[in-house]
Amino acid sequence: DAKTTQPTSMDCAEGRAANLPCNHSTISGNEYVYWYRQIHSQGPQYIIHGLKNNETNEMASLIITEDRKSSTLILPHATLRDTAVYYCIVRAHGGATNKLIFGTGTLLAVQP
Amino acid sequence: DAGVIQSPRHEVTEMGQEVTLRCKPISGHNSLFWYRQTMMRGLELLIYFNNNVPIDDSGMPEDRFSAKMPNASFSTLKIQPSEPRDSAVYFCASSLTGASEQYFGPGTRLTVT
Repeated sequence: DAKTTQPTSMDCAEGRAANLPCNHSTISGNEYVYWYRQIHSQGPQYIIHGLKNNETNEMASLIITEDRKSSTLILPHATLRDTAVYYCIVRAHGGATNKLIFGTGTLLAVQP
Repeated sequence: DAGVIQSPRHEVTEMGQEVTLRCKPISGHNSLFWYRQTMMRGLELLIYFNNNVPIDDSGMPEDRFSAKMPNASFSTLKIQPSEPRDSAVYFCASSLTGASEQYFGPGTRLTVT
């Protein structure tokens, strides 16, 4: 079972920041927070991951709360091409725990 | 880099027939994953290979499903015999190591009539 809780759907205006929340209150100390997205009819795409510290790359920023029980994925300037289902996943590294367990994700609709 | 390559992209077959899905991972990646996606069950992991060895096949639904990885650049997922409930999109993914981020292929849409 997925260990995360995400809103089913969100809207965002084009050009504005999209902030996607995720709750993972049962996260273990050795588990990372991963974000993937799936654009319609495509395979999932890796976005970013982190353990404790906030992370930023060319696609997005990941803000993890100090207690690590929740996080927020930020797309700084959303475009229509960012419309997708966004999955928040927690996973440890190593052995059989390398599997990704996908929940239902958040459908982000970027509006023109 | 061509990314993960899957073939065929679409497959339509009749119940009872054998189906073979193919995957070429990204060169240099040592881990390979097969996933299945349906509306009812979402995305679920079927099997995971590390250095061509199956590590976790607990997601393989039943004996009709089998997967092989004869070398580092090729893997197959076979369904024999196929059933209508096997209709789904099957994704292959690879990663540099088992712990690193996974890169997904475009998927194979399987329809069993």
